[in-house]
Amino acid sequence: QSVLAQPPSASGTPGQRVTISCSGSSSNIGSNYVFWYQQLPGTAPKFVSYRNNMRPSGVPERFSGSKSGTSAFLVISGVRSEDEADYYCAVWDDSLRSRVFGGGTKLTVL
Amino acid sequence: EVQLVESGGGLVKPGGSLTLSCVVSGLTFSDAWMTWVRQAPGKGLEWVARIKSKIDGGTLDYGVPVRGRFTISRDDSKNTVYLQMTSLKTADTAVYYCHTNFYGPGAFDSWGQGTLVTVSS
Repeated sequence: QSVLAQPPSASGTPGQRVTISCSGSSSNIGSNYVFWYQQLPGTAPKFVSYRNNMRPSGVPERFSGSKSGTSAFLVISGVRSEDEADYYCAVWDDSLRSRVFGGGTKLTVL
Repeated sequence: EVQLVESGGGLVKPGGSLTLSCVVSGLTFSDAWMTWVRQAPGKGLEWVARIKSKIDGGTLDYGVPVRGRFTISRDDSKNTVYLQMTSLKTADTAVYYCHTNFYGPGAFDSWGQGTLVTVSS
């Protein structure tokens, strides 16, 4: 059971806006930067958002991260078939003194 | 381009030990914070350990499940980070990824291809 709660699945049709949530607490999301990773089957993770809302070079503009209180969100505006993957949030936890990952959300593009 | 190459995975019996290595190129290794992340078959990502650069204090941090059993270390002269694993359990079976990142200007976040550790009798 992860300290960061993500929905196990999400879905959307091509072009739709999809939001993936990550719920934590004051000791993690409430006080530290949130990161988001995309993992395609059989490959290593790739970051798609860092420091709450920064987009790495080369990541499409349709990916955007945000944070509000003890929750974080990854929004994919205009989802595409190639976005079908597992998505994980990650943040440092001050109480555990370790980084923690959410349980992951499997995105299906219908 | 930053490259990370892990090695040392394999089959080990419960209670046994194993040491993983990760050789890094494409950056100033002595300045890098290095981490290990694992993924059990069909499961999510789990943070294992981190070692800061010596200039940042060389602090060691561990995920709760591995504290007291795993040790992370580095050899800056060999551009290599290690993960020494002892008292291995079946629950430690996973692909172990080596990882590094820089989140300032020109941010990057790089991963190795992973090495499989199987703990089984």
